[in-house]
Amino acid sequence: ETGVTQTPRHLVMGMTNKKSLKCEQHLGHNAMYWYKQSAKKPLELMFVYSLEERVENNSVPSRFSPECPNSSHLFLHLHTLQPEDSALYLCASSQGHLNTEAFFGQGTRLTVV
Amino acid sequence: GDSVTQMEGPVTLSEEAFLTINCTYTATGYPSLFWYVQYPGEGLQLLLKATKADDKGSNKGFEATYRKETTSFHLEKGSVQVSDSAVYFCALNDNTDKLIFGTGTRLQVFP
Repeated sequence: ETGVTQTPRHLVMGMTNKKSLKCEQHLGHNAMYWYKQSAKKPLELMFVYSLEERVENNSVPSRFSPECPNSSHLFLHLHTLQPEDSALYLCASSQGHLNTEAFFGQGTRLTVV
Repeated sequence: GDSVTQMEGPVTLSEEAFLTINCTYTATGYPSLFWYVQYPGEGLQLLLKATKADDKGSNKGFEATYRKETTSFHLEKGSVQVSDSAVYFCALNDNTDKLIFGTGTRLQVFP
Protein backbone atom coordinates (compact mmCIF):
# COMPACT_ATOMS: atom_id res chain seq x y z
CA GLU A 1 0.00 0.00 0.00
CA THR A 2 1.73 3.14 -1.19
CA GLY A 3 -0.91 5.62 -0.10
CA VAL A 4 -1.51 6.60 -3.72
CA THR A 5 -4.16 4.58 -5.56
CA GLN A 6 -4.74 4.65 -9.29
CA THR A 7 -7.68 3.19 -11.20
CA PRO A 8 -8.01 1.44 -13.49
CA ARG A 9 -4.78 -0.56 -13.55
CA HIS A 10 -5.24 -1.42 -17.21
CA LEU A 11 -7.21 0.34 -19.93
CA VAL A 12 -7.67 -0.40 -23.61
CA MET A 13 -9.44 2.27 -25.60
CA GLY A 14 -10.15 3.13 -29.20
CA MET A 15 -9.00 6.35 -30.76
CA THR A 16 -12.52 7.80 -30.69
CA ASN A 17 -13.27 6.89 -27.08
CA LYS A 18 -13.38 9.13 -24.04
CA LYS A 19 -12.08 7.75 -20.76
CA SER A 20 -10.70 9.03 -17.47
CA LEU A 21 -7.88 7.93 -15.21
CA LYS A 22 -8.32 8.43 -11.50
CA CYS A 23 -5.78 8.98 -8.75
CA GLU A 24 -6.42 9.28 -5.03
CA GLN A 25 -3.87 9.96 -2.32
CA HIS A 26 -4.36 9.21 1.36
CA LEU A 27 -1.21 10.92 2.62
CA GLY A 28 -2.44 14.44 3.26
CA HIS A 29 -0.17 15.83 0.56
CA ASN A 30 -0.88 19.11 -1.19
CA ALA A 31 0.80 18.52 -4.57
CA MET A 32 -0.11 15.94 -7.20
CA TYR A 33 1.47 14.98 -10.50
CA TRP A 34 0.84 13.05 -13.70
CA TYR A 35 3.80 11.35 -15.38
CA LYS A 36 3.96 9.37 -18.61
CA GLN A 37 6.32 6.39 -18.79
CA SER A 38 7.11 5.06 -22.25
CA ALA A 39 9.58 2.33 -23.10
CA LYS A 40 13.21 3.49 -23.28
CA LYS A 41 12.35 7.13 -22.57
CA PRO A 42 12.76 9.18 -19.40
CA LEU A 43 9.70 9.71 -17.29
CA GLU A 44 7.85 12.68 -18.70
CA LEU A 45 6.21 15.08 -16.30
CA MET A 46 2.84 16.05 -17.75
CA PHE A 47 1.04 18.11 -15.12
CA VAL A 48 1.64 19.44 -11.63
CA TYR A 49 -1.05 20.61 -9.25
CA SER A 50 -0.20 22.43 -6.05
CA LEU A 51 -3.00 23.29 -3.64
CA GLU A 52 -5.45 22.27 -6.37
CA GLU A 53 -4.08 24.79 -8.86
CA ARG A 54 -2.25 23.73 -11.96
CA VAL A 55 1.30 25.02 -11.78
CA GLU A 56 2.88 23.11 -14.63
CA ASN A 57 1.76 21.95 -18.03
CA ASN A 58 4.65 20.59 -20.03
CA SER A 59 3.29 21.23 -23.51
CA VAL A 60 0.97 18.27 -23.27
CA PRO A 61 -1.50 17.88 -26.17
CA SER A 62 -5.03 19.02 -25.45
CA ARG A 63 -6.34 15.48 -25.86
CA PHE A 64 -5.10 15.05 -22.27
CA SER A 65 -7.12 17.13 -19.82
CA PRO A 66 -6.34 17.06 -16.09
CA GLU A 67 -8.73 17.85 -13.27
CA CYS A 68 -7.97 18.29 -9.58
CA PRO A 69 -11.23 18.80 -7.65
CA ASN A 70 -9.51 18.65 -4.26
CA SER A 71 -6.10 17.92 -2.77
CA SER A 72 -6.80 14.19 -2.54
CA HIS A 73 -8.03 13.49 -6.07
CA LEU A 74 -6.57 13.90 -9.51
CA PHE A 75 -8.06 12.89 -12.83
CA LEU A 76 -6.72 12.66 -16.35
CA HIS A 77 -9.44 12.87 -18.98
CA LEU A 78 -8.58 11.28 -22.30
CA HIS A 79 -10.20 11.81 -25.70
CA THR A 80 -9.27 11.09 -29.31
CA LEU A 81 -5.94 9.59 -28.35
CA GLN A 82 -3.34 8.24 -30.74
CA PRO A 83 -1.58 4.85 -30.63
CA GLU A 84 1.65 6.60 -29.59
CA ASP A 85 -0.12 7.68 -26.40
CA SER A 86 0.01 4.06 -25.23
CA ALA A 87 2.13 4.07 -22.09
CA LEU A 88 2.11 3.67 -18.33
CA TYR A 89 0.58 6.73 -16.68
CA LEU A 90 1.80 7.35 -13.18
CA CYS A 91 0.28 9.57 -10.56
CA ALA A 92 2.34 10.91 -7.68
CA SER A 93 1.89 13.19 -4.69
CA SER A 94 4.20 15.10 -2.38
CA GLN A 95 4.04 17.28 0.70
CA GLY A 96 4.92 20.76 -0.46
CA HIS A 97 6.59 20.61 -3.80
CA LEU A 98 10.12 21.85 -3.28
CA ASN A 99 12.93 19.34 -2.88
CA THR A 100 10.70 16.70 -1.41
CA GLU A 101 10.26 13.15 -2.54
CA ALA A 102 7.19 12.05 -4.41
CA PHE A 103 5.07 9.00 -3.65
CA PHE A 104 3.81 7.11 -6.68
CA GLY A 105 0.79 5.03 -7.49
CA GLN A 106 1.07 1.73 -9.33
CA GLY A 107 0.12 3.30 -12.62
CA THR A 108 -2.47 2.75 -15.32
CA ARG A 109 -1.26 0.77 -18.33
CA LEU A 110 -3.02 2.43 -21.28
CA THR A 111 -3.25 0.87 -24.72
CA VAL A 112 -4.76 2.86 -27.56
CA VAL A 113 -5.97 0.76 -30.47
CA GLY B 1 18.30 22.90 -18.17
CA ASP B 2 18.59 20.39 -15.37
CA SER B 3 19.15 16.77 -16.37
CA VAL B 4 20.08 13.34 -15.08
CA THR B 5 22.18 10.78 -16.93
CA GLN B 6 22.24 7.12 -15.98
CA MET B 7 24.23 4.21 -17.31
CA GLU B 8 22.56 2.11 -19.96
CA GLY B 9 21.18 -1.23 -18.89
CA PRO B 10 20.50 -3.94 -18.42
CA VAL B 11 22.96 -4.68 -15.67
CA THR B 12 23.18 -8.43 -15.21
CA LEU B 13 24.73 -9.87 -12.05
CA SER B 14 24.91 -13.08 -10.11
CA GLU B 15 23.52 -13.18 -6.60
CA GLU B 16 25.90 -11.72 -3.97
CA ALA B 17 27.81 -9.69 -6.56
CA PHE B 18 28.68 -6.02 -5.99
CA LEU B 19 26.44 -3.48 -7.70
CA THR B 20 27.20 -0.01 -9.03
CA ILE B 21 24.77 2.00 -11.11
CA ASN B 22 26.24 5.31 -12.24
CA CYS B 23 24.31 8.56 -12.14
CA THR B 24 25.50 12.05 -12.97
CA TYR B 25 23.50 15.23 -13.00
CA THR B 26 23.44 18.76 -14.35
CA ALA B 27 21.77 21.44 -12.27
CA THR B 28 22.04 25.19 -11.88
CA GLY B 29 21.48 25.19 -8.12
CA TYR B 30 21.95 22.77 -5.24
CA PRO B 31 19.51 19.98 -5.89
CA SER B 32 18.28 17.16 -3.74
CA LEU B 33 19.08 13.77 -5.25
CA PHE B 34 17.04 10.59 -5.17
CA TRP B 35 17.08 6.97 -6.20
CA TYR B 36 13.74 5.35 -6.96
CA VAL B 37 13.09 1.68 -7.67
CA GLN B 38 10.35 0.19 -9.82
CA TYR B 39 9.57 -3.50 -9.37
CA PRO B 40 7.72 -5.32 -12.18
CA GLY B 41 4.11 -4.18 -12.48
CA GLU B 42 4.51 -1.51 -9.82
CA GLY B 43 4.91 2.23 -9.57
CA LEU B 44 8.08 3.93 -8.38
CA GLN B 45 9.16 3.73 -4.76
CA LEU B 46 11.68 6.01 -3.10
CA LEU B 47 14.79 4.00 -2.25
CA LEU B 48 17.04 6.68 -0.75
CA LYS B 49 17.84 10.37 -0.95
CA ALA B 50 20.47 12.99 -0.12
CA THR B 51 19.81 16.69 0.21
CA LYS B 52 23.28 18.24 0.32
CA ALA B 53 26.86 17.63 -0.70
CA ASP B 54 28.65 14.72 1.00
CA ASP B 55 25.39 13.34 2.39
CA LYS B 56 25.05 9.57 2.10
CA GLY B 57 21.63 8.10 1.58
CA SER B 58 21.11 4.46 2.52
CA ASN B 59 18.29 1.93 2.65
CA LYS B 60 17.94 -1.86 2.33
CA GLY B 61 21.70 -2.25 1.88
CA PHE B 62 21.84 0.31 -0.92
CA GLU B 63 23.95 3.46 -0.58
CA ALA B 64 24.65 6.58 -2.62
CA THR B 65 26.83 9.57 -1.77
CA TYR B 66 26.12 13.09 -3.04
CA ARG B 67 29.36 14.16 -4.77
CA LYS B 68 29.17 17.79 -5.75
CA GLU B 69 32.70 17.91 -7.19
CA THR B 70 31.88 15.17 -9.70
CA THR B 71 28.13 15.91 -9.89
CA SER B 72 27.43 12.25 -9.23
CA PHE B 73 25.16 10.10 -7.10
CA HIS B 74 26.15 6.52 -7.88
CA LEU B 75 24.08 3.71 -6.39
CA GLU B 76 25.95 0.81 -4.74
CA LYS B 77 25.12 -2.39 -2.93
CA GLY B 78 27.66 -4.84 -1.60
CA SER B 79 25.73 -8.05 -2.22
CA VAL B 80 22.69 -8.13 -4.48
CA GLN B 81 19.81 -10.56 -4.23
CA VAL B 82 17.44 -11.91 -6.85
CA SER B 83 14.72 -9.82 -5.22
CA ASP B 84 16.66 -6.65 -6.12
CA SER B 85 15.85 -7.21 -9.80
CA ALA B 86 14.02 -4.05 -10.86
CA VAL B 87 14.46 -0.78 -12.71
CA TYR B 88 16.36 1.92 -10.82
CA PHE B 89 15.82 5.63 -11.49
CA CYS B 90 18.08 8.47 -10.45
CA ALA B 91 16.30 11.81 -10.00
CA LEU B 92 16.87 15.36 -8.85
CA ASN B 93 14.78 18.22 -7.54
CA ASP B 94 16.39 21.62 -7.88
CA ASN B 95 14.17 23.75 -5.66
CA THR B 96 11.30 23.52 -8.08
CA ASP B 97 8.00 21.75 -8.10
CA LYS B 98 9.11 18.77 -10.14
CA LEU B 99 11.38 15.76 -10.08
CA ILE B 100 13.63 15.22 -13.09
CA PHE B 101 14.35 11.57 -13.79
CA GLY B 102 16.97 9.66 -15.68
CA THR B 103 15.99 6.99 -18.18
CA GLY B 104 16.26 4.17 -15.65
CA THR B 105 18.63 1.21 -15.42
CA ARG B 106 17.29 -2.33 -15.40
CA LEU B 107 19.01 -4.68 -12.96
CA GLN B 108 18.72 -8.42 -13.44
CA VAL B 109 20.11 -10.68 -10.70
CA PHE B 110 20.39 -14.40 -11.31
CA PRO B 111 20.77 -17.14 -8.68
